[in-house]
Amino acid sequence: DSGVTQTPKHLITATGQRVTLRCSPRSGDLSVYWYQQSLDQGLQFLIQYYNGEERAKGNILERFSAQQFPDLHSELNLSSLELGDSALYFCASSVLGTGELFFGEGSRLTVL
Amino acid sequence: KNQVEQSPQSLIILEGKNCTLQCNYTVSPFSNLRWYKQDTGRGPVSLTIMTFSENTKSNGRYTATLDADTKQSSLHITASQLSDSASYICVVPISGSARQLTFGSGTQLTVLP
Repeated sequence: DSGVTQTPKHLITATGQRVTLRCSPRSGDLSVYWYQQSLDQGLQFLIQYYNGEERAKGNILERFSAQQFPDLHSELNLSSLELGDSALYFCASSVLGTGELFFGEGSRLTVL
Repeated sequence: KNQVEQSPQSLIILEGKNCTLQCNYTVSPFSNLRWYKQDTGRGPVSLTIMTFSENTKSNGRYTATLDADTKQSSLHITASQLSDSASYICVVPISGSARQLTFGSGTQLTVLP
């Protein structure tokens, strides 16, 4: 158990819909990262937050947005969903200093 | 361009055998290299982090090596077990920053009984 909690574990929705994925980082970790992993693909960095502020952006689509709340949990919002958005979405939090990432178990999104 | 390339793409071995996975990187400047294990449908789990000054690091039956001159790393698995079946991912941060990680595409290891 990495200590990073993601909900929901599975989500099935239709094209054009909007979903929200939630992540609670490990206790004490201020940084939260979001990654997308499509079928048989590597992890693609989406966005990072540190203590409530956006720190870095990767290949995140304009239809996607995220935020980190004062209690440090984070949400990734995916809108106008397309079939190609079907993927595993991972959240990770990091230890200050070493940068080692601890990943959650992921949210599997299926867009039909 | 910062890249991390892993080989082989997939590997099948028998239980009890050893194997070695390779990682070549062109990320610069280099600060550390990480190996993660990802079981199917699960989140990646850190196996080891190697800094510039470390040549070898072990974690149980896993031994990682690093040659910063040739920009190569290997992950050696000794006496493989069925539970070693997973994807092994090599990750290198850009400029030592966790937020700028370059992920390899992974080696899919299958251990057969």
